[in-house]
Amino acid sequence: DVQVVESGGGLVQPGGSLRLSCEASGFTFATHWMNWVRQAPGKGLEWVATIKQDASEEYYVDSVKGRFTISRDNAKNTLDLQMNSLRPEDTAVYYCARGPGGYSYEGYYDPWGQGTLVTVSS
Amino acid sequence: DIQMTQSPSSLSASVGDRVTITCRASPSPKNFVNWYQQKPGEAPKLLVYGASSLQRGVPSRFSGSGSGTDFTLTISGLQPGDFATYYCQQTYTFPQTFGQGTKVGVK
Repeated sequence: DVQVVESGGGLVQPGGSLRLSCEASGFTFATHWMNWVRQAPGKGLEWVATIKQDASEEYYVDSVKGRFTISRDNAKNTLDLQMNSLRPEDTAVYYCARGPGGYSYEGYYDPWGQGTLVTVSS
Repeated sequence: DIQMTQSPSSLSASVGDRVTITCRASPSPKNFVNWYQQKPGEAPKLLVYGASSLQRGVPSRFSGSGSGTDFTLTISGLQPGDFATYYCQQTYTFPQTFGQGTKVGVK
């Protein structure tokens, strides 16, 4: 089965750091764009970051630029999100989602993982 | 940035009803518009991609249409498992924005 599974969420104090991971299986990880999307409690979906197959391109939503870093290890089939200087407004379920294969990022997200909850609170 | 404005934000419907959800984009994302279904406590599920292509395994009662700036998701004959929240998304350019969601509830 094609799947992605997130891990690493938890409770962290404001200003702290957390690293999320996503393990992919059932497809050729190195050939797909990969994404992080978050959902604050009771709210809608918000795109967070995207990385190209060879990690040569990264994109971020403005609210996390300079604080979050997306990375990938194609040998281990893993996607990471390093989150620094965390704020209460970063509290959300974070989803990993597979993007399109091929040169262009224009496409769809499928599948999505089950999500991992990050809570930023003192 | 491309803004995706979904309407309505919520609706009430009965089993068997035809349901239409609209997403208006500004500016145009060409046809790079996707639709997802999300049930409480679950991850989003892809329904329609490229504005009108049905994802494999998705029932044919779901359909997508539209072009330019106006896009529609239609459920023809609502089923009990279709009560959920639906999101549109554009992937034409970054930031890859979502609509605010439409919650389909029981009338």
